[in-house]
Amino acid sequence: GAVVSQHPSRVICKSGTSVKIECRSLDFQATTMFWYRQFPKQSLMLMATSNEGSKATYEQGVEKDKFLINHASLTLSTLTVTSAHPEDSSFYICSSGGGGKETQYFGPGTRLLVL
Amino acid sequence: SQQGEEDPQALSIQEGENATMNCSYKTSINNLQWYRQNSGRGLVHLILIRSNEREKHSGRLRVTLDTSKKSSSLLITASRAADTASYFCATDASGNMLTFGGGTRLMVKP
Repeated sequence: GAVVSQHPSRVICKSGTSVKIECRSLDFQATTMFWYRQFPKQSLMLMATSNEGSKATYEQGVEKDKFLINHASLTLSTLTVTSAHPEDSSFYICSSGGGGKETQYFGPGTRLLVL
Repeated sequence: SQQGEEDPQALSIQEGENATMNCSYKTSINNLQWYRQNSGRGLVHLILIRSNEREKHSGRLRVTLDTSKKSSSLLITASRAADTASYFCATDASGNMLTFGGGTRLMVKP
């Protein structure tokens, strides 16, 4: 299957700072990337769908001004958590899809801890 | 929002036993997929079953789909300690967007 990487794998930041998470599709051009959030012992919740070259589509309840998504190329999507607060601490996972593929290929996740 | 429920939420078995996990969903789907997640890691795709399929096999995995009951099951036969992980079903109702179930945490004791 396709390989998706995320960077960083773990980040600790102070409350009020912004954090950028990168998601790269290494071996295929991902027209669509998905961003999920997962709290401990819970399932994945879709935050937004990122389409290359256009604005992201956010799920209900997800603030687009707080979670900025940029999908400038077919291999890179970024999620920036702006003015992070402790309640934003979570596991953020991206996946690549589109291009007619039925399955999604998930990155290894980024664990964010906001102090 | 979550599409449906998985049960059990947690399952503990001995190595060699079979593990069965169930997933229910609410809307019509194009396909249903099962993923595995080791603790603190990303998800690994296990198997996809389309809405017009009833059963699918892959190695020690067997998946069934009953669209009339809007349910699916994942059977892992002859389990191994390395199968210890969380297992999630995910439904694709449209546009390759997945909605995940709550997951089953499987522990296989050696």
